[in-house]
Amino acid sequence: GGIITQTPKFLIGQEGQKLTLKCQQNFNHDTMYWYRQDSGKGLRLIYYSITENDLQKGDLSEGYDASREKKSSFSLTVTSAQKNEMAVFLCASSSGPQDTQYFGPGTRLLVL
Amino acid sequence: GDSVTQTEGLVTLTEGLPVMLNCTYQSTYSPFLFWYVQHLNEAPKLLLKSFTDNKRPEHQGFHATLHKSSSSFHLQKSSAQLSDSALYYCAFNTGNYKYVFGAGTRLKVIA
Repeated sequence: GGIITQTPKFLIGQEGQKLTLKCQQNFNHDTMYWYRQDSGKGLRLIYYSITENDLQKGDLSEGYDASREKKSSFSLTVTSAQKNEMAVFLCASSSGPQDTQYFGPGTRLLVL
Repeated sequence: GDSVTQTEGLVTLTEGLPVMLNCTYQSTYSPFLFWYVQHLNEAPKLLLKSFTDNKRPEHQGFHATLHKSSSSFHLQKSSAQLSDSALYYCAFNTGNYKYVFGAGTRLKVIA
């Protein structure tokens, strides 16, 4: 078994601020994902990384940057936080296409 | 483009009644289908996924059958339990690492 760790658990930012969310996995999975979860909108893909040093944009990449520092870690940066923004950001990993995705507990973002 | 449509919003059921959560998909290619479940304050986790053959996946009393003719993968259970209350996501993957999720259906089971 393995685990996905996301830090921080809660993130409160100011409008216009650059905010970074971190994700670590010890499954030794090649592929990692960042999703945004909003009520009634499901999970929307922001960025994914097929292998170390790879980055692919998802459907919601505008306003975000990502970095795959090493196989086990994947960071997401909100480039300019929007006022009153509230969402949960979920990190996931999998060993390959069509394989099960394993999710982290999420980072809850609130922008004042 | 690729998309998933699920039963909208909140489904409220009395314990013991059958569960059916609808999922239909639109995809150019023949996808793999998944159901994920997310209990309150927990991470989503896999409930079941479609097979390449005609086997029907089952887990924790839930099952789903992939019908390619109608592009559907509805989730069913014969008798709802209070512990089934959760948010359910249908998703698919077309083999290119990218998953497409539906909006989610919240199931609430009452005594």
